[in-house]
Amino acid sequence: DTAVSQTPKYLVTQMGNDKSIKCEQNLGHDTMYWYKQDSKKFLKIMFSYNNKELIINETVPNRFSPKSPDKAHLNLHINSLELGDSAVYFCASSQKPGVGGETQYFGPGTRLLVL
Amino acid sequence: AQKVTQAQTEISVVEKEDVTLDCVYETRDTTYYLFWYKQPPSGELVFLIRRNSFDEQNEISGRYSWNFQKSTSSFNFTITASQVVDSAVYFCALSESNTGGFKTIFGAGTRLFVKA
Repeated sequence: DTAVSQTPKYLVTQMGNDKSIKCEQNLGHDTMYWYKQDSKKFLKIMFSYNNKELIINETVPNRFSPKSPDKAHLNLHINSLELGDSAVYFCASSQKPGVGGETQYFGPGTRLLVL
Repeated sequence: AQKVTQAQTEISVVEKEDVTLDCVYETRDTTYYLFWYKQPPSGELVFLIRRNSFDEQNEISGRYSWNFQKSTSSFNFTITASQVVDSAVYFCALSESNTGGFKTIFGAGTRLFVKA
């Protein structure tokens, strides 16, 4: 029944490793997002996909690569992890704009710790 | 450019007190959306309210109320008779249209402590 789900919930890894976070939504939404929340709770958008197409790509290192195999899934792959990547990563989704699509519903977050 | 300012970093109140969380925004668009989200200690982000730029009516939902004033670019949130369960970080957010979607900017959040 979970609307927006993320796996894993916790991720502890060593510097230099490559890791992926998965996100799935069962709300039938067209648009999905990745946000990063740092230790001071600042929430910043990283990417947005609309119907599998990248529409927002903020200033994010190219070690971060999103992939949307279909409109219900948006995964985030991170290469060569660095200490500064430690954060909580939130996935979100919204309907197509103009159809009440502006409200974003968030997943539970993935807590990433890079050692 | 979009900007959301939540000037109160932390607020501490005693249960049953009323508390208002301030939010001031900047935008050049005439069509935009404002939101409040709650992040309790468990960490999830919970949607509370959405307001579009053409609807300045205030809203009340139980102990929660919101005051939207375009003249001062503010969208303040009041909790009446606060309870310990209201302790959380509250985020105000602004969305403007972007190609194919909406770009949302969040304020820095206000951490509310409600003491018993």
